[in-house]
Amino acid sequence: DADVTQTPRNRITKTGKRIMLECSQTKGHDRMYWYRQDPGLGLRLIYYSFDVKDINKGEISDGYSVSRQAQAKFSLSLESAIPNQTALYFCATSSGDTSTDTQYFGPGTRLTVL
Amino acid sequence: AQSVTQLDSHVSVSEGTPVLLRCNYSSSYSPSLFWYVQHPNKGLQLLLKYTSAATLVKGINGFEAEFKKSETSFHLTKPSAHMSDAAEYFCVVSDHSGYSTLTFGKGTMLLVSP
Repeated sequence: DADVTQTPRNRITKTGKRIMLECSQTKGHDRMYWYRQDPGLGLRLIYYSFDVKDINKGEISDGYSVSRQAQAKFSLSLESAIPNQTALYFCATSSGDTSTDTQYFGPGTRLTVL
Repeated sequence: AQSVTQLDSHVSVSEGTPVLLRCNYSSSYSPSLFWYVQHPNKGLQLLLKYTSAATLVKGINGFEAEFKKSETSFHLTKPSAHMSDAAEYFCVVSDHSGYSTLTFGKGTMLLVSP
């Protein structure tokens, strides 16, 4: 089984709808992250959480919110989806050991907002 | 502040010839540097990482990268390209400034022709 899972893998929705993307991990990591990927722009950080009680905005948090329900679960919500939120979304985790803080990525969720 | 510049958006090589993907970085602290690979319709896989140990880092699938502080570069190389190397490659920096997060380059698409 994969260490970092994302649901759903694909979602098509309409403008104005509320959408939740979920991420779960079995790596036992404290740190979790949400990124979006757009062609030609690489990955950009939306939100990150260094433990259950710690939530931080990333580079592009406007229009998004998150919830850290447990160490293993980190959800991303779009309260009112808009077409320019169409993108590939990745969840990632890391242990927080700053000397070798490698992030491990989920398979991604492809979101299309019509 | 930290940033990454991948100098080529696309690189084309023939199978069996060397690969060079160029990356320059900027960081206020002693950085960690990573290369991730993304195959079509797949998630991100860690190729290799530099964390202030040896400046020449060996990764998976025959890839390696050399950290050059004086040039602020972390170029990725492989002696002989294989068709399966065709993918998008991301250079990534983390500055370990306490709340360390990753900053991604915009990606380099590697095309391998027979």
